[in-house]
Amino acid sequence: ETGVTQSPTHLIKTRGQQVTLRCSSQSGHNTVSWYQQALGQGPQFIFQYYREEENGRGNFPPRFSGLQFPNYSSELNVNALELDDSALYLCASSLDREQPQHFGDGTRLSIL
Amino acid sequence: AQSVTQLDSQVPVFEEAPVELRCNYSSSVSVYLFWYVQYPNQGLQLLLKYLSGSTLVESINGFEAEFNKSQTSFHLRKPSVHISDTAEYFCAVTGLKAAGNKLTFGGGTRVLVKP
Repeated sequence: ETGVTQSPTHLIKTRGQQVTLRCSSQSGHNTVSWYQQALGQGPQFIFQYYREEENGRGNFPPRFSGLQFPNYSSELNVNALELDDSALYLCASSLDREQPQHFGDGTRLSIL
Repeated sequence: AQSVTQLDSQVPVFEEAPVELRCNYSSSVSVYLFWYVQYPNQGLQLLLKYLSGSTLVESINGFEAEFNKSQTSFHLRKPSVHISDTAEYFCAVTGLKAAGNKLTFGGGTRVLVKP
């Protein structure tokens, strides 16, 4: 059984640029959540997608947006990158909205 | 809304000694509780979960946690640690029947096992 996979593993951008991070959910999982983990902190919930619809959002500005595709893979898009966006971005999938989440290894984003 | 407090940011412990990681939460609704482990340069791995039933839950690698509703705690314990247990541990909570299962995490406890 393939787990949650994220790409790329590392990314370097400059302020003002845009970035797209990708996530393939675990087989059979229809729910994908994204989290931001700043250095030395716990992950913070960004948003969740269930069957291609946004199903909850954390305290992040609109320049953080997402998509879920019919195969339940997902993208996280961040526009107008700021230095504080430097973090590990984690994707997690679950069988359904109320099932335990399984995490990928993350994408480490560095903003210069 | 929920919040999670992990009372120790770092716990040094000798190999084969016991360890306890403390986690307290607050919530206005009933909750599910989780412990995740994060090894360097990796994502989070689910260690154990409390959904319902017995308040004592165990993992396959010797960890256990006890849900205490009156004290709003979910402390993690292991009677004898190995070098390989060196990692960061996160306690997390989600509200029952919440819109989605958004996880709220504590700040993490870094466990350093010394030989």
